[in-house]
Amino acid sequence: AQKVTQAQTEISVVEKEDVTLDCVYETRDTTYYLFWYKQPPSGELVFLIRRNSFDEQNEISGRYSWNFQKSTSSFNFTITASQVVDSAVYFCALSEAKTSGSARQLTFGSGTQLTVLP
Amino acid sequence: KAGVTQTPRYLIKTRGQQVTLSCSPISGHRSVSWYQQTPGQGLQFLFEYFSETQRNKGNFPGRFSGRQFSNSRSEMNVSTLELGDSALYLCASSLGQEETQYFGPGTRLLVL
Repeated sequence: AQKVTQAQTEISVVEKEDVTLDCVYETRDTTYYLFWYKQPPSGELVFLIRRNSFDEQNEISGRYSWNFQKSTSSFNFTITASQVVDSAVYFCALSEAKTSGSARQLTFGSGTQLTVLP
Repeated sequence: KAGVTQTPRYLIKTRGQQVTLSCSPISGHRSVSWYQQTPGQGLQFLFEYFSETQRNKGNFPGRFSGRQFSNSRSEMNVSTLELGDSALYLCASSLGQEETQYFGPGTRLLVL
């Protein structure tokens, strides 16, 4: 069975600090997808990034960057120069590619509450 | 393009009642998934529909059901509500099974 672990329940940083959110996953599949979503207080899950298991290239998007390492089954997320607006709960998720005709479901970690203080 | 919409946004029900939640996917998206979010259990997959067919179902009792219409809009129904059904119910849509799921704002259900 697949599993996602986000060991950091809460993180608090001061604005402009860099912060890394950890994500460790377990799966028996060789083909799978990893995601990060952001959930602000309004409740909606906002998609941030998706990576497939064959693409270990790290990605940078503005102040956001992601480090995918299959050797350690980790998909960590770093926010550089954090801002107050980054305050939210961040979820890491995993889905396994299934055979044609069957749907893929997301398995979420428990989330990390990030608070950025001014 | 408009995002995923869910109605109603808030609901208060009492134990034993039933409730129907609605989800309109992003235009052109044919897959709709439902998730339940609670403080204790986190985010859990309920079921997924594609072209009016349920293709996958999570580990929830039969009181939880859903359907999808020809225009891809989806509804989920919870019968005989229990206190533990109080949660944020999130709907997500995607183009197909291989695509990223985009979430709506959710429906907050409180069962008294």
